[in-house]
Amino acid sequence: ILNVEQSPQSLHVQEGDSTNFTCSFPSSNFYALHWYRWETAKSPEALFVMTLNGDEKKKGRISATLNTKEGYSYLYIKGSQPEDSATYLCAHREYGNKLVFGAGTILRVKS
Amino acid sequence: NAGVTQTPKFQVLKTGQSMTLQCAQDMNHNSMYWYRQDPGMGLRLIYYSASEGTTDKGEVPNGYNVSRLNKREFSLRLESAAPSQTSVYFCASSDRTDVWEQYFGPGTRLTVT
Repeated sequence: ILNVEQSPQSLHVQEGDSTNFTCSFPSSNFYALHWYRWETAKSPEALFVMTLNGDEKKKGRISATLNTKEGYSYLYIKGSQPEDSATYLCAHREYGNKLVFGAGTILRVKS
Repeated sequence: NAGVTQTPKFQVLKTGQSMTLQCAQDMNHNSMYWYRQDPGMGLRLIYYSASEGTTDKGEVPNGYNVSRLNKREFSLRLESAAPSQTSVYFCASSDRTDVWEQYFGPGTRLTVT
């Protein structure tokens, strides 16, 4: 049973659309929330590490926000491109160095 | 720097056979991890090693053993493979100096028939 939930499970959008997805995690014993981008046939690559309530991070057209009090994070992609097609994973870190991963959101961007 | 490397990339085993998956990292990280990835299940932690000389069970350790050979290398052994162990296996490493961001190897696709 995953206590890190991601929604939606998958998303199909047109090139140029903006999109967002959600990661929910236990709000107690919070240390960090990690986002990863995982392309087919490759290994997951780190996008963001977020530690503080209200954190906002940005990398190009991708940004993320964090609410530790209510236990959720949003990932936004502005003006989706076909190369954004990937699975986006979030992972919750409690005390220590283990991560608990969600099942991921699969994004497909159609040109 | 190669980062995290894994061997082999692909493997087919018969039920009951044994094998060892190898993982090495050249980032001087203290912590290393083994995950399995199954459709709809995300990445599930099998075993991890917080530092050289220590290993601990993760979420799904049954049927596996690990060895932290030195700071660089962390191997995963299947003693008697079962079809339920058909999966993609990822090794990762992390360290406090990198805010515990995990760096992943390319994965090993294992099929047990």
